[in-house]
Amino acid sequence: DAKTTQPTSMDCAEGRAANLPCNHSTISGNEYVYWYRQIHSQGPQYIIHGLKNNETNEMASLIITEDRKSSTLILPHATLRDTAVYYCIVRVDYKLSFGAGTTVTVRA
Amino acid sequence: NAGVMQNPRHLVRRRGQEARLRCSPMKGHSHVYWYRQLPEEGLKFMVYLQKENIIDESGMPKERFSAEFPKEGPSILRIQQVVRGDSAAYFCASSQNSREDEQYFGPGTRLTVT
Repeated sequence: DAKTTQPTSMDCAEGRAANLPCNHSTISGNEYVYWYRQIHSQGPQYIIHGLKNNETNEMASLIITEDRKSSTLILPHATLRDTAVYYCIVRVDYKLSFGAGTTVTVRA
Repeated sequence: NAGVMQNPRHLVRRRGQEARLRCSPMKGHSHVYWYRQLPEEGLKFMVYLQKENIIDESGMPKERFSAEFPKEGPSILRIQQVVRGDSAAYFCASSQNSREDEQYFGPGTRLTVT
């Protein structure tokens, strides 16, 4: 599976956009980029996924570079409840491989 | 629409006892996955099941662990003769139609072996 690299941690101000980067330089053509988050040891929560095109849903936007070697998850208006560990996963088949993720702390 | 349900949420077992963890997938979901999260680590895939079939158990320890997803009722992850190293959070996820669909996770069962 393609490996992902994320910053260990980042802070974000409440009400501002949070931009979470992820590098996946060895991604293959048929591998999707998935984002999950885990709030305080709860079960991981699905956020969004994409293959080539940018995607948007009610939670977030996903921007994938044209060469697909990196992506950015955007939380448009971060709230305190968005404080969590965010996982960027390159998915092949059904096995999700969770790394260390990025610990995002939203501050008032 | 109820999400993935797991019970119990917390389970304490003494070394050598058996642990049974239950998972009810989301309504309409026929694919179930179990993951384990050891303290301070990321989730690791254990097993993938469809109704009455184990599709992939490559992530499951060879000894003492087993899983099933019967025609009726929840999926069960069974750990026999538990040891302290089995202490972890066990998460179940389900997907709807195919194994490429998004997986939705339950709240987990936290197993503590004393």
